[in-house]
Amino acid sequence: GEDVEQSLFLSVREGDSSVINCTYTDSSSTYLYWYKQEPGAGLQLLTYIFSNMDMKQDQRLTVLLNKKDKHLSLRIADTQTGDSAIYFCAVANRDDKIIFGKGTRLHILP
Amino acid sequence: GAGVSQSPSNKVTEKGKDVELRCDPISGHTALYWYRQSLGQGLEFLIYFQGNSAPDKSGLPSDRFSAERTGGSVSTLTIQRTQQEDSAVYLCASSLATWPYEQYFGPGTRLTVT
Repeated sequence: GEDVEQSLFLSVREGDSSVINCTYTDSSSTYLYWYKQEPGAGLQLLTYIFSNMDMKQDQRLTVLLNKKDKHLSLRIADTQTGDSAIYFCAVANRDDKIIFGKGTRLHILP
Repeated sequence: GAGVSQSPSNKVTEKGKDVELRCDPISGHTALYWYRQSLGQGLEFLIYFQGNSAPDKSGLPSDRFSAERTGGSVSTLTIQRTQQEDSAVYLCASSLATWPYEQYFGPGTRLTVT
């Protein structure tokens, strides 16, 4: 079945860019998502990209998709303390099931 | 309502007891999902409802877990004879039944089995 992998931790200095990476295994994946989970809260959809796109930008967020390598990334420009959270990559497969990665905990250094 | 709500927010139960977790989806969302999030783990898919039917129950960990949805709205996840390994945060999400299936999550129920 589909497998979604992410690194577990990322530390970034305030003001720098954060890049969170994700790899997946199912080449027929249709939609790919990034969710944010702040401490003690549920998940919040940040953005998503359709598989026929290779880039999507929304304010400080840039999503890049490399279908050949099955690699998805989320870039957060000008990282702020409020960006500290766990970021989940999720992929929708051909059966309409959405598979989540384990999440990347983003830590902001002063 | 404005968002997905779940109750209770916290539940402490003794091993062997049954528990019921409730999810109220966003009005008009026909798809409803249950996930489990254990400490340090990602989201584990449990079950998915489209309307009142569950086309995918493949994630339920054992036959102690069951879920139902009535009236295409509220869903209840029941865990019978709870075990300590059932301790986790149980998250519910709802979405429209069309692509891109944007899921809106509730705040979760933290279950602790002692």
